[in-house]
Amino acid sequence: EVQLVESGGSLVQPGGSLRLSCAASGFTFSSYEMNWVRQAPGKGLEWVSYISSSSSIIYYADSVKGRFTISRDNAKNSLYLQMNSLRAEDTAVYFCASLIVGATYLDYWGQGTLVTVSS
Amino acid sequence: YELTQPLSVSVALGQTARITCGGNNIGSKNVHWYQQKPGQAPVLVIYRDINRPSGIPERFSGSNSRNTATLTISRAQAGDEADYYCQVWDSSPVVFGGGTKLTVL
Repeated sequence: EVQLVESGGSLVQPGGSLRLSCAASGFTFSSYEMNWVRQAPGKGLEWVSYISSSSSIIYYADSVKGRFTISRDNAKNSLYLQMNSLRAEDTAVYFCASLIVGATYLDYWGQGTLVTVSS
Repeated sequence: YELTQPLSVSVALGQTARITCGGNNIGSKNVHWYQQKPGQAPVLVIYRDINRPSGIPERFSGSNSRNTATLTISRAQAGDEADYYCQVWDSSPVVFGGGTKLTVL
């Protein structure tokens, strides 16, 4: 069974940092591209970042560029999101989602982890 | 690239719901649809315009032409009540529509 389990979300002050993790199981993680998608309270889905299967290609949404860093460890079947200089508008549930190489749709999603940026 | 969805759609129980997703020449792109129920993660219900993942009922179908893609839900059930999002791959590269809340009356 495919599982994506996010962790690391918490309450953090504006300007602070947080590192999210996503543990993958039940599929060949190294064959999948990965994404972070977030959803602010009561709002729609917002794509945050993408990383290719080999980490050679990385993209960020303009809203997080220069502040967030995506990475992965295929040996540990894990995806990460380092979030720095956090702002109130970064408050959201953060989902990790997989994308098989060559596809353009997100086939598996985790349940999400809540990040709250507030003083 | 922008995708435009209606904020809400209502459908009577057992009838057909159609949720649209507008975009410039969207017919030239592959459109994917996700269903999200309150407190849950999104679930892929249609990929590449017309394809259903394993486990998705045949009542869910999709189409895509010119400037509008459409998710059609036949014989709507109470359990279909959810938010629905369209998505395409573009230069960003992942683009979501704003989402449509489907209400089953």
